[in-house]
Amino acid sequence: NAGVMQNPRHLVRRRGQEARLRCSPMKGHSHVYWYRQLPEEGLKFMVYLQKENIIDESGMPKERFSAEFPKEGPSILRIQQVVRGDSAAYFCASSPQGLAGGYNEQFFGPGTRLTVL
Amino acid sequence: GQQLNQSPQSMFIQEGEDVSMNCTSSSIFNTWLWYKQDPGEGPVLLIALYKAGELTSNGRLTAQFGITRKDSFLNISASIPSDVGIYFCAGQRSLGGTYKYIFGTGTRLKVLA
Repeated sequence: NAGVMQNPRHLVRRRGQEARLRCSPMKGHSHVYWYRQLPEEGLKFMVYLQKENIIDESGMPKERFSAEFPKEGPSILRIQQVVRGDSAAYFCASSPQGLAGGYNEQFFGPGTRLTVL
Repeated sequence: GQQLNQSPQSMFIQEGEDVSMNCTSSSIFNTWLWYKQDPGEGPVLLIALYKAGELTSNGRLTAQFGITRKDSFLNISASIPSDVGIYFCAGQRSLGGTYKYIFGTGTRLKVLA
């Protein structure tokens, strides 16, 4: 029973390029969450998605960042025109249901470490 | 963004010692989770707590959901070298119309053999 999968594990981009981070949730999970982690810091919530819907994007920067979770395929976090400050570890988590009902732990993927040169 | 206060920030202990760390907030939470993160990896869920006052164990780990719903602690008994890592608490609450998890700042544990 595969866990949450993320790829690539490491991504290097030059300033101005685009970064695409992929997340495949655990089997049976339809809720996906993206977090960002800077070195020596905790996880900061970015966005919460269900299939084909963005539920909460209150943690997403207003520009250059976007996320989707299509009906088929993985969730994608997209960062356009990357800058050095975007360098961080980006984690995806999934849960079988939304958080409102309780008893819904989030399970994390291994992360994508983005380095912007 | 909001984060929970975790303490201590870091600790060095001898193998075999017991460890205690806690997480506090000024806000009430519905659920508390404790995760461990190894270097270069994602957080792994250790314990989930759903009711105020609940005490739950997982092997050498014990965690409690504070009765005020504003805090939680995690204890590790008889620590071993593989306990090294960063431990995060996370609290679930309604925020801005949706539920989300707020993460603590982490406790970095180092075990000396």
